[in-house]
Amino acid sequence: DAKTTQPNSMESNEEEPVHLPCNHSTISGTDYIHWYRQLPSQGPEYVIHGLTSNVNNRMASLAIAEDRKSSTLILHRATLRDAAVYYCILRIFGNQGGKLIFGQGTELSVKP
Amino acid sequence: GAVVSQHPSRVICKSGTSVKIECRSLDFQATTMFWYRQFPKQSLMLMATSNEGSKATYEQGVEKDKFLINHASLTLSTLTVTSAHPEDSSFYICSASKWSGTEAFFGQGTRLTVV
Repeated sequence: DAKTTQPNSMESNEEEPVHLPCNHSTISGTDYIHWYRQLPSQGPEYVIHGLTSNVNNRMASLAIAEDRKSSTLILHRATLRDAAVYYCILRIFGNQGGKLIFGQGTELSVKP
Repeated sequence: GAVVSQHPSRVICKSGTSVKIECRSLDFQATTMFWYRQFPKQSLMLMATSNEGSKATYEQGVEKDKFLINHASLTLSTLTVTSAHPEDSSFYICSASKWSGTEAFFGQGTRLTVV
């Protein structure tokens, strides 16, 4: 399974943008880049995913490098409710996607 | 989005007893579900892949006789922790995906405490 590397922790101020980086230098052509987040004592929550092009949804934006070896999750205006552990994971498409292998993730803290 | 539900959300059991955790996909069918375990301040660790109508596939180091998985229908997978011991106390989480989709949906987790 291709691995991802993320910083252990990041801090942000409320209402400011947050850029969460992820390196995945061994990504293959069939891997989608997924982001999930986990609040304390809850199951993970899907945030966004992409293959090659940048993606936007109501929660966040995903910027993917041209060589696909890295990506950045962008929270446009951090709120206190965005404080969570963010996981960047590679996953193949279809056939129910195959298993998700979690790394250590980035713990995001948001200061008021 | 799709909903995956786990039951119970919390359970306390005595050492040596067995505990069953249910994972249901409420609005879609899932031929494959995944079971994870998470210890405090750690990431999720994949335990096994649950396959409807066939045997589960366990990750290396996970005891299949201790963690029994049954996936008898397209919407239900169960994890039974047999002869539980205090070291089995953990947060257990299941996930499932739609056949044609790619994002995974997770249950809310089950906090198991063995006393």
